[in-house]
Amino acid sequence: QVQLVESGGGLVKPGGSLRLSCAASGFIFSDFHMSWIRQAPGKGLEWISYISSSGITKYYADSVKGRFTISRDNVKSSLYLQMNSLRAEDTAVYYCARAVGVHGHFEYWGQGTLVTVSS
Amino acid sequence: SYELTQPPSVSVSPGQTASITCSGYNLGNKYAFWYQQKPGQSPVVVIYQDTKRPSGIPERFSGSNSGNTATLTISGTQPMDEADYYCQAWDSNTVLFGGGTKLTVL
Repeated sequence: QVQLVESGGGLVKPGGSLRLSCAASGFIFSDFHMSWIRQAPGKGLEWISYISSSGITKYYADSVKGRFTISRDNVKSSLYLQMNSLRAEDTAVYYCARAVGVHGHFEYWGQGTLVTVSS
Repeated sequence: SYELTQPPSVSVSPGQTASITCSGYNLGNKYAFWYQQKPGQSPVVVIYQDTKRPSGIPERFSGSNSGNTATLTISGTQPMDEADYYCQAWDSNTVLFGGGTKLTVL
């Protein structure tokens, strides 16, 4: 069955960096576009980045553009999010999600990993 | 920038019909998707491409999308349907989520 397992979250100081990973299994990872979506405590969902199946096309939300970088390793069936210059407002649970086609919905979600940015 | 607007909360009695709206400029020209999220869980898609229901989602969930408004309708609402619901659409190369609606079944 499809599984997405995020890791790499934790406590980091403002201005610091963190790299999140999402290990995929149960499907052919290289066939699917992927995204990172976050949810601040008690708040709604916020999409932050998308990467095409090949890794060539990448989109970012304005709130993270220039600070976060999405990437993937299709050999390792893994998705990554490099987060730099972290701010308090980046505190959230970060989900990786598998997209259906181009401009489709998110069919599978991981369980999320919590990132806390605090001094 | 493009925005999707949902009512913060909707209340419904068990067995009645709940309607949750999602408003955005010319939203009817885009596909709308709906997710259900229960406390401590990851979101689950309940409606995709405006009206389609994934396998495993009960028939009481339905969707529509026209003009500036997409609507998620839950017929014969059950206590287990109490959750947060989010609409989602694409605008150019950006994914947008509505602010979410807390559905209370009481």
